[in-house]
Amino acid sequence: AAGVIQSPRHLIKEKRETATLKCYPIPRHDTVYWYQQGPGQDPQFLISFYEKMQSDKGSIPDRFSAQQFSDYHSELNMSSLELGDSALYFCASSVTGSPLHFGNGTRLTVT
Amino acid sequence: AQKITQTQPGMFVQEKEAVTLDCTYDTSDPSYGLFWYKQPSSGEMIFLIYQGSYDQQNATEGRYSLNFQKARKSANLVISASQLGDSAMYFCAMREVYSGAGSYQLTFGKGTKLSVIP
Repeated sequence: AAGVIQSPRHLIKEKRETATLKCYPIPRHDTVYWYQQGPGQDPQFLISFYEKMQSDKGSIPDRFSAQQFSDYHSELNMSSLELGDSALYFCASSVTGSPLHFGNGTRLTVT
Repeated sequence: AQKITQTQPGMFVQEKEAVTLDCTYDTSDPSYGLFWYKQPSSGEMIFLIYQGSYDQQNATEGRYSLNFQKARKSANLVISASQLGDSAMYFCAMREVYSGAGSYQLTFGKGTKLSVIP
């Protein structure tokens, strides 16, 4: 069965640089979510999109932005990176009301 | 206040034994869903089991079952016949339907690290 695809798997950036993470949801899933998981932490909700429109916003810094495109893939853009942004970033997708299915995550390291 | 509480930071279980991972939750929404996810050391987040607040029976998925006690607001995960591959971090999560969020996003607990001993 198709799963949520995230790229890249690993990313190393320096402070103040920008990063773009990509997510391809499971086909026919109408909602995409982004989560951030710091080392030893639980995942924290960042933002979500329903049918390509932003539907909810969590603890996403103003330096971060995201969008969902016409082909349903989503991108998380992160600017002015800080050391504290080093984390595992998950994308998840679902059909409304069904369990979220997560991708394998992008591990971002900021040096 | 914590919406999801997992009181066991770490647990050990002997191979082939059963183990219960605790989860309590706090919500005023009448309609909500409870989920368990497994996160191995490799990092991926794997969906295990789901329980809806109106479900009359406890959810089961293979060796996983969810002991849902609505009045006590608990949703414990039971893993039967533990295997070495069950060693991982386990997260309990909740989705509140009427939170006003509109996207049914999940709130996670802090997790329980399960170690299966040969």
